[in-house]
Amino acid sequence: AQSVTQLGSHVSVSEGALVLLRCNYSSSVPPYLFWYVQYPNQGLQLLLKYTSAATLVKGINGFEAEFKKSETSFHLTKPSAHMSDAAEYFCAVTPGGYQKVTFGTGTKLQVIP
Amino acid sequence: GAGVSQSPSNKVTEKGKDVELRCDPISGHTALYWYRQRLGQGLEFLIYFQGNSAPDKSGLPSDRFSAERTGESVSTLTIQRTQQEDSAVYLCATQLGIVGTQPQHFGDGTRLSIL
Repeated sequence: AQSVTQLGSHVSVSEGALVLLRCNYSSSVPPYLFWYVQYPNQGLQLLLKYTSAATLVKGINGFEAEFKKSETSFHLTKPSAHMSDAAEYFCAVTPGGYQKVTFGTGTKLQVIP
Repeated sequence: GAGVSQSPSNKVTEKGKDVELRCDPISGHTALYWYRQRLGQGLEFLIYFQGNSAPDKSGLPSDRFSAERTGESVSTLTIQRTQQEDSAVYLCATQLGIVGTQPQHFGDGTRLSIL
């Protein structure tokens, strides 16, 4: 079984500041990990994914995430927040194969001008 | 279209009525998922299809909820005798194959309001 914990249901940052959204996972097998973003009244869009290649994964819109097995973490970062980054972010994990994806509860990012 | 299409985009109905929600997947996507997202909350897994079989329907909250899929095509989620707690956004997502590296592609959802 797998699970995902996202610390902080709401995060506020100033425009231009570092964005850090936390995700910790548990999985009985090496996982595949994803970050998705949801803008208001839309479905989720893929930001980036970890599939056991490079541990530092770069995604769209300047986001990146680092897989740290020892810490069972997959935190999402962006060096400089932009107003357009305001959205809800979901971390997800799957062991692959015929296994469903488990999503975290989401973190709403507010960017303050 | 190129993406996952859900219809209707909005549905308002009276308590006790039945509703049917539709999901048109991306062509060739064999895996299909239904999720429920209540206001201000995360995604709640409902059911997963691989082709037209449902290996995991553990998330369906009650026997009022059912879903079916025609081959690797359209899926419908039916809610019978709707209750106010069924009000939520229902999201459909599809996936190319079963390989864990494949991301899910989401529709924009159906916003269901039960009066």
